[in-house]
Amino acid sequence: SAVISQKPSRDICQRGTSLTIQCQVDSQVTMMFWYRQQPGQSLTLIATANQGSEATYESGFVIDKFPISRPNLTFSTLTVSNMSPEDSSIYLCSVVPGASTEAFFGQGTRLTVV
Amino acid sequence: GENVEQHPSTLSVQEGDSAVIKCTYSDSASNYFPWYKQELGKRPQLIIDIRSNVGEKKDQRIAVTLNKTAKHFSLHITETQPEDSAVYFCAAGQGGSYIPTFGRGTSLIVHP
Repeated sequence: SAVISQKPSRDICQRGTSLTIQCQVDSQVTMMFWYRQQPGQSLTLIATANQGSEATYESGFVIDKFPISRPNLTFSTLTVSNMSPEDSSIYLCSVVPGASTEAFFGQGTRLTVV
Repeated sequence: GENVEQHPSTLSVQEGDSAVIKCTYSDSASNYFPWYKQELGKRPQLIIDIRSNVGEKKDQRIAVTLNKTAKHFSLHITETQPEDSAVYFCAAGQGGSYIPTFGRGTSLIVHP
């Protein structure tokens, strides 16, 4: 199993600013995933963060808008840059530890851009 | 890549009734099919999963069935209770190097 601490849990930000979301895992994991979940909708994968290499972004998401850091095997950050109201959403990090196939999630960051 | 379709998007039942949620997947190489439950304001959590070497798995009031030929799998909840109200997500992927692809979610509402 894995326990993920994600912060902040929520924030209200001005448009044009940036917010960095942090995820700390209690064990070493190879891949960490960042998702966006808009109200009433599914989990949309933003990118996969690998330690020691650049993140892999899904279609529709770019590094300039969502830069990701992965300095070690237990930590990652996602930055939402130059925010607009359309970025208002819940952002979640997730891991699939070791030989497991179960995905574990952080508690999410509820972002509101005004 | 994998594509997972999930239906219905909303399901409303009376307490005690059964609920069935269906998913289809596109990649025949997928061999792992988990279901996650997300209660309001909380993180998704695994409730049951099935691998491609079995056709059905049951855990108390919940069960999952898999039809590999048709590439679809279903979640069955019997004797529903108000605390079953949540959003349920199916997912599909390949075990080992596992990056799950999620369905769009089903909002289950159980009326007391």
